[in-house]
Amino acid sequence: AQSVTQLDSHVSVSEGTPVLLRCNYSSSYSPSLFWYVQHPNKGLQLLLKYTSAATLVKGINGFEAEFKKSETSFHLTKPSAHMSDAAEYFCVVRRGNTGFQKLVFGTGTRLLVSP
Amino acid sequence: DVKVTQSSRYLVKRTGEKVFLECVQDMDHENMFWYRQDPGLGLRLIYFSYDVKMKEKGDIPEGYSVSREKKERFSLILESASTNQTSMYLCASSVRELTRSSYNSPLHFGNGTRLTVT
Repeated sequence: AQSVTQLDSHVSVSEGTPVLLRCNYSSSYSPSLFWYVQHPNKGLQLLLKYTSAATLVKGINGFEAEFKKSETSFHLTKPSAHMSDAAEYFCVVRRGNTGFQKLVFGTGTRLLVSP
Repeated sequence: DVKVTQSSRYLVKRTGEKVFLECVQDMDHENMFWYRQDPGLGLRLIYFSYDVKMKEKGDIPEGYSVSREKKERFSLILESASTNQTSMYLCASSVRELTRSSYNSPLHFGNGTRLTVT
């Protein structure tokens, strides 16, 4: 069964420093992976997705993620954090690559950005 | 821009009440979803619908039902609310995956309804 594990429940960075949010996945076949972001009092928004094309995926707001099959990881990074990046981030895997679009969400990582 | 609107931001109900959570999307999406979000558990799928009057159970359907009489509207129903249904409820919609370009299309979420059952 497909699953994702977000390794940190909270990550704190200073504005202008790099961001690393870690995600490991489990899948018996090549997975479809996503990162969604949820700002306070808002719904979730897609940041980026990996669907077996390029292993380095670029998303919105300067975020990117690299699919590493050997490490079963899909970590989210950003070179320089901005105050507006403070939010909760969810790593997501698609359950089954055919049929209906069912997503399995990780438990979330809350990113705190200090001035 | 796709807009998914949930009718209430906050809702307080009593144990045993029948509760309706409403969701409307304005982009003619075929797929609609209801999730609940709890701290430390992420999002869990309750029900989804891929067409009018069609519904499928998600991972945690017990205690819930849904209704989709019109394409743009997807309602979540708590038949008899219980305290363990206190949670944030999120509605989402997406296009049907008919072509390669629509495969893995994003889910568009509403802002959520925070339900408290006392």
